[in-house]
Amino acid sequence: KQEVTQIPAALSVPEGENLVLNCSFTDSAIYNLQWFRQDPGKGLTSLLLIQSSQREQTSGRLNASLDKSSGRSTLYIAASQPGDSATYLCAVNRDDMRFGAGTRLTVKP
Amino acid sequence: DAGVIQSPRHEVTEMGQEVTLRCKPISGHDYLFWYRQTMMRGLELLIYFNNNVPIDDSGMPEDRFSAKMPNASFSTLKIQPSEPRDSAVYFCASSLGGRPNQPQHFGDGTRLSIL
Repeated sequence: KQEVTQIPAALSVPEGENLVLNCSFTDSAIYNLQWFRQDPGKGLTSLLLIQSSQREQTSGRLNASLDKSSGRSTLYIAASQPGDSATYLCAVNRDDMRFGAGTRLTVKP
Repeated sequence: DAGVIQSPRHEVTEMGQEVTLRCKPISGHDYLFWYRQTMMRGLELLIYFNNNVPIDDSGMPEDRFSAKMPNASFSTLKIQPSEPRDSAVYFCASSLGGRPNQPQHFGDGTRLSIL
């Protein structure tokens, strides 16, 4: 059974810092991995989707990497801003979609 | 472009009552997913449809839960009878052209409280 773990559970950084969120999964046989953002009381917003054949995807200040063999993905956020404060979830997709518990990010002005 | 629309946004009802949650997927999307999110268990997939047909309902917790998709633009998740442990946020998501390659788009969810 696929297990998805996100570390850390919570992270607080000052504005402007670059940061890395981690996601690990136990079964490397996946179709893709998706990073989401969730704001309080809201649904999930898809940030980046990496296919199993890809190594990374970039969107603006966000860069996600995927290392299937080691069962790891990272989400890199450059020059963090207070508006980046949210919970970030990763999800791996094969027979079904398995989510991590998320990392709650706070960016302080 | 309208996203996934869920209703109601909040539902508070007494134990034993029937609850119906509604979802309108993004037009043209052929996959629809129902998820449940709780603090204890995180996000869990309950059921998903392809072209209005249920494909995998192995995540549905009990027979009290049922889901239908009568047409491409509407789906319901029903709980009857409801219990306090069903309290959670229920999300609907849709995607285009197959799970492996396409991102899922989520609605804002229905926050369900069973008293």
